[in-house]
Amino acid sequence: DAGVIQSPRHEVTEMGQEVTLRCKPISGHNSLFWYRQTMMRGLELLIYFNNNVPIDDSGMPEDRFSAKMPNASFSTLKIQPSEPRDSAVYFCASSLATRNTIYFGEGSWLTVV
Amino acid sequence: AQRVTQPEKLLSVFKGAPVELKCNYSYSGSPELFWYVQYSRQRLQLLLRHISRESIKGFTADLNKGETSFHLKKPFAQEEDSAMYYCALIEAGNMLTFGGGTRLMVKP
Repeated sequence: DAGVIQSPRHEVTEMGQEVTLRCKPISGHNSLFWYRQTMMRGLELLIYFNNNVPIDDSGMPEDRFSAKMPNASFSTLKIQPSEPRDSAVYFCASSLATRNTIYFGEGSWLTVV
Repeated sequence: AQRVTQPEKLLSVFKGAPVELKCNYSYSGSPELFWYVQYSRQRLQLLLRHISRESIKGFTADLNKGETSFHLKKPFAQEEDSAMYYCALIEAGNMLTFGGGTRLMVKP
C-alpha cells in the first residue's frame, strides 16, 4: 500500500483565495483525521471521521474551515477565504477500527501570503 | 485541559549519552499511549506503543500509571536520532491527542 496520500505537497496562495487540500486514506481504513501542525501550537486535531461520518469537528478553528469525506477513499479540507495565519502543515491520517495505529500522510505545506 | 504534556521543547545531548524524553498524561480511563517521531520535513511515524512493550531503534518507554508518565528512553543516543518526538494518547473513540513535542538534537 502506498500509505496515506495527500495533495498538494506544497501550496502558496494569496490571502482571500480558496484552498483545497486532498487526502486518500489507506485502503480499508475506516477512520480519517485531519491535523494541523504549527511551530506555536504543535499538532492540533481539526476533525475526525469514522465510516465517512464526521465524529468530532471541535478542533476546526472557524467557519472558514470545512471538511468532507464523500466516500471511504477520499477527503478534502477546504479553507475559504484563506488568511496568513492559516499557514501550516496539514496532515491527514487514517486507521482501522478503534484504538489501532494511526498512519500519517506526508503533509500539505500551506503558505498564505 | 491538557491531556498530554511534554515539558521540554528542546533536548540536546551528545552522541553516546543517555536520552530521556518526558511525557505525562491526564486520562481517567485506561490509557493507550504512543510515541511518534518526525524526522526533518517528513511524515510522523509510529515509534512505539505501550501495549507492545517493544524496543524500536533502541528506544523503550514504560507506562507508569502511578506517576501518569510514559517517558521515552535510549541508553546511547545516535546522531540519526535527531528529530521531533511526540507523545500521544488515544482518547474516546479513536482520537489521538498529541503533546507539544520535544525536539531532540544529538551532537557529534
